Amino acid sequence: DAKTTQPPSMDCAEGRAANLPCNHSTISGNEYVYWYRQIHSQGPQYIIHGLKNNETNEMASLIITEDRKSSTLILPHATLRDTAVYYCIVRAPDSWGKLQFGAGTQVVVTP
Amino acid sequence: NAGVTQTPKFQVLKTGQSMTLQCAQDMNHEYMSWYRQDPGMGLRLIHYSVGAGITDQGEVPNGYNVSRSTTEDFPLRLLSAAPSQTSVYFCASRNHRLAGSTDTQYFGPGTRLTVL
Repeated sequence: DAKTTQPPSMDCAEGRAANLPCNHSTISGNEYVYWYRQIHSQGPQYIIHGLKNNETNEMASLIITEDRKSSTLILPHATLRDTAVYYCIVRAPDSWGKLQFGAGTQVVVTP
Repeated sequence: NAGVTQTPKFQVLKTGQSMTLQCAQDMNHEYMSWYRQDPGMGLRLIHYSVGAGITDQGEVPNGYNVSRSTTEDFPLRLLSAAPSQTSVYFCASRNHRLAGSTDTQYFGPGTRLTVL
């Protein structure tokens, strides 16, 4: 699975959009981009994933560049409960149960 | 659905003791995994299973054993605990692979293990 690079931390004001970047320049054609988050002391939680097209669900939007070498997770209206570590993961569908978690981005939402 | 459950939530062991961390899921997922998370670090895969009777090693398997006799359960055994195994352990299960790859993982709440 391709490696990802994320900034170690970022702050966001409550109510504003949080834009979390991820670089995955070695991504292969069949690899998906996944985002998970981990709120303190809890198990990771799935947010969203995509292959080529931009995706949106009730939690977030995922924007993938045309060359697929980077992506951005957007939390449209950040709340204090969105404070967490966010992990960007790239993996192929046949990677069985394996998820390669890096260090992620610590997002702190402030009032 | 209870999702993925783990027991115990907390455990303190002495060096050399053995124990089993329990994990169960009620979503009929084929794939189950065990991860450990050390302070300030991401998760590292210990062992995983793609179905009953089938297991394989992950990134950091040494010191841990697993078995998968049923679809629902995937226990993790520490045969002789060491201080280096002090960590938070997460179990996860995954959907069947579908067209479009909606194979998201669901994680349990974790077991916090301290080895003295």
